[in-house]
Amino acid sequence: DTGVSQDPRHKITKRGQNVTFRCDPISEHNRLYWYRQTLGQGPEFLTYFQNEAQLEKSRLLSDRFSAERPKGSFSTLEIQRTEQGDSAMYLCASSDSPGRGPDGYTFGSGTRLTVV
Amino acid sequence: QKEVEQNSGPLSVPEGAIASLNCTYSDRGSQSFFWYRQYSGKSPELIMSIYSNGDKEDGRFTAQLNKASQYVSLLIRDSQPSDSATYLCAGGTNAGKSTFGDGTTLTVKP
Repeated sequence: DTGVSQDPRHKITKRGQNVTFRCDPISEHNRLYWYRQTLGQGPEFLTYFQNEAQLEKSRLLSDRFSAERPKGSFSTLEIQRTEQGDSAMYLCASSDSPGRGPDGYTFGSGTRLTVV
Repeated sequence: QKEVEQNSGPLSVPEGAIASLNCTYSDRGSQSFFWYRQYSGKSPELIMSIYSNGDKEDGRFTAQLNKASQYVSLLIRDSQPSDSATYLCAGGTNAGKSTFGDGTTLTVKP
């Protein structure tokens, strides 16, 4: 296992189209997170899973965004009816269950979305 | 007010100097704190974690945490040009979610 994998690395789409991104976490990590990052800003939390359960979803996330993690392995993030404001880097991260406290993340390389 | 605040910089230091990066947080529910390094066009990479008040050293990096003051810092000793990057501070809760600052851009000049 070489880390967190994200696919695709880049996606250019026309406004109004749907897009789906995939994330494969580190196999022994049961927590998976999605963040969004725009230029000059820190990563912004979108949602996270422990195993297959989606535990929290940001209220900033409109109902055009949906994420799944079937069987607690890989995850997908879908954006429906994309808007230009959705253009960003979408980062996936995974971590182990917190024991003494939350662990830091291992990030994937990200998917850069451009909506034209 | 953002939950995690960092000086945006840019911070410039000469090679071999100590770089000092600072961060404050507002959520007292944050239990653990992290520093990530992000090179331009790349994803963040975890470089330090700190869970208790005091200092934690790892090679040229020292993280400091003061929960009473809600303050976290990162010192980089003997700075190298390869340390030039954006440094992100993050606070994590026991639920596992982390909140990030907007980062401080560091430039180390040869």
